[in-house]
Amino acid sequence: AQRVTQPEKLLSVFKGAPVELKCNYSYSGSPELFWYVQYSRQRLQLLLRHISRESIKGFTADLNKGETSFHLKKPFAQEEDSAMHYCALPFSGGYNKLIFGAGTRLAVHP
Amino acid sequence: DAGVTQSPTHLIKTRGQQVTLRCSPKSGHDTVSWYQQALGQGPQFIFQYYEEEERQRGNFPDRFSGHQFPNYSSELNVNALLLGDSALYLCASSLGVRQDYNQPQHFGDGTRLSIL
Repeated sequence: AQRVTQPEKLLSVFKGAPVELKCNYSYSGSPELFWYVQYSRQRLQLLLRHISRESIKGFTADLNKGETSFHLKKPFAQEEDSAMHYCALPFSGGYNKLIFGAGTRLAVHP
Repeated sequence: DAGVTQSPTHLIKTRGQQVTLRCSPKSGHDTVSWYQQALGQGPQFIFQYYEEEERQRGNFPDRFSGHQFPNYSSELNVNALLLGDSALYLCASSLGVRQDYNQPQHFGDGTRLSIL
C-alpha cells in the first residue's frame, strides 16, 4: 500500500542551524513527491516538488529511490521557516490525488 | 484572485445531523478535491470531482457525498454525523485537463466541523 511516513512530530532548532525534515514513502514505480507547508494562520501551500528540482526559500529535497526517502533540507534555518511541513505522494493513477504524511512541526528559535 | 474559498469557516452540529460544506475553486481551475484533516494528522483524501462527476474516491463511507456544479464549485455532504467526523475539511483545486500529470493543488482555509 502507498504510504508516507514523517517520523518526527516536532523538530526544534536554533536560527542558523541546518535542518532536515524526514520523509519516507512506499510506492511501486517512479513517484513524484511534494512538500507542502502551512505557516501560522495561513493555508496549506506547495513548498516544492521533486519533478521541478528547484529550491524554494532555500529548501531542497532529493528523491532517494534506494532509501525511498524525500527529506527536506535547508543549510541555515530562519525563524520565518517555523511551520507545519507535510510530505505528500500522489496516488498511483494520477488525477492529483495526494497521500499526506502526518506532518512535522519545525520550530526555529532565535 | 481570492484563490480557493470555503464556507462556512466553522460549524457545530450534533450526532445524527447532516451537513453541507461549500467550495469555490481558484479561477481557471476545473477540478476540486476534498480532504479531511483530523487533529494532529495530515489531510486524508475523500474524493475528487471533475466535469461534474466523482472521478476518484478515498476510503470514506457512503455517508460522505458530493457534487460539482457547472461553474466548477463543489459541495461536500455528510449524513448521519458521528463524533469522529469532527475535523478540518479542506478543499483543493487544480487543473485536471492533463490527467497524466500531477498538478500542484491549491488549498482553501478549510471548514472546522465540530460534532457534539
